[in-house]
Amino acid sequence: NAGVTQTPKFQVLKTGQSMTLQCAQDMNHEYMSWYRQDPGMGLRLIHYSVGAGITDQGEVPNGYNVSRSTTEDFPLRLLSAAPSQTSVYFCASSAQGGANYGYTFGSGTRLTVV
Amino acid sequence: AQSVTQLGSHVSVSEGALVLLRCNYSSSVPPYLFWYVQYPNQGLQLLLKYTTGATLVKGINGFEAEFKKSETSFHLTKPSAHMSDAAEYFCAVSEGSNDYKLSFGAGTTVTVRA
Repeated sequence: NAGVTQTPKFQVLKTGQSMTLQCAQDMNHEYMSWYRQDPGMGLRLIHYSVGAGITDQGEVPNGYNVSRSTTEDFPLRLLSAAPSQTSVYFCASSAQGGANYGYTFGSGTRLTVV
Repeated sequence: AQSVTQLGSHVSVSEGALVLLRCNYSSSVPPYLFWYVQYPNQGLQLLLKYTTGATLVKGINGFEAEFKKSETSFHLTKPSAHMSDAAEYFCAVSEGSNDYKLSFGAGTTVTVRA
């Protein structure tokens, strides 16, 4: 089925470890983004990309890196995990003119940093 | 910059009763407004959206919302709650068709009593 695929679904990291959360979409969407969801805070934008080779920071970018080498993939890298990065992470994508076409969300990655 | 306030973090309704979830926004330009639903351990699903035109918007599962510019509100309603409506609901805003970034409210959890 077409959509946004996130892997892994669950991950436990030790403080200081690094890892990459994967996000792939097969809808040829130009726009992709990463959000984190924390209780009582809704979803907050980490990084976003409006096309291959173009990325920008969102509201809470510190501690995270992204790259966009292809239209399909938008991985999120945690360089040195901290307990404050324990959260549920969602990837989303939309066609050009996102607000008109709507956003498609992945099913999320639940990350725990101990 | 845009922002969203959802009034009430928890709402409890009886099955068959009216569901009313409140959302107020701030935006420096005409907003695009969204309601998303999240069922336990799942991603976000679009319920409905307002971009331009008719201010009363109908969505999936019997939900509707009305855009009131004078009140900067976009409240979500459903005339008769069903047990399957138990979920978390998020209001979100973006600043127009070329703004890919969504700003979310903190969310409202709905429980439905039999």
